[in-house]
Amino acid sequence: AQSVTQLGSHVSVSEGALVLLRCNYSSSVPPYLFWYVQYPNQGLQLLLKYTSAATLVKGINGFEAEFKKSETSFHLTKPSAHMSDAAEYFCAVSDNFNKFYFGSGTKLNVKP
Amino acid sequence: GAVVSQHPSRVICKSGTSVKIECRSLDFQATTMFWYRQFPKKSLMLMATSNEGSKATYEQGVEKDKFLINHASLTLSTLTVTSAHPEDSSFYICSARQGGWYEQYFGPGTRLTVT
Repeated sequence: AQSVTQLGSHVSVSEGALVLLRCNYSSSVPPYLFWYVQYPNQGLQLLLKYTSAATLVKGINGFEAEFKKSETSFHLTKPSAHMSDAAEYFCAVSDNFNKFYFGSGTKLNVKP
Repeated sequence: GAVVSQHPSRVICKSGTSVKIECRSLDFQATTMFWYRQFPKKSLMLMATSNEGSKATYEQGVEKDKFLINHASLTLSTLTVTSAHPEDSSFYICSARQGGWYEQYFGPGTRLTVT
């Protein structure tokens, strides 16, 4: 069975500061891992995905995530936050692109 | 490429009525479509999986007679909320997949409000 835990329902950073959003997963098979961003009243936009290739994955808008099997983690980072990054972020795990299991989401607030 | 649309984006209906939400894959054929429900301040929960031309598979706890799903073509799936009640108010998001090992692409969501 797959599951995702996102630590911290709310994260607040200053503009220009490092963004770190945590995601730990549980999977009985080699996982596919995803980060999505959701702006208010909109659907999900894919930021990046891990599909068993390089463990450091680069996505859109300057985000990246590193797959660490030993820690069962897939944390999302961005070196310098921008005001436009304020949104809700979801980590998801899938075993075969079929069922997606989403974390509870982390709302990122960026302070000027 | 890989665009999924939903219609309507927002709908308000009266309690007891039914409402249909459409999900379309605009530039690819979606053999499988998924319907999710997102409660306020909560994550997405998979409601059902539908394969073109066959009956949908519902997740545990989802009433199949209340949430009717039809996937009649490779580019269209519909979710009909029958006899809607205020507790059905939610954000419904669909996603579509091209084939067995392709990733899912998500629609923009439909905000349903039942008064």
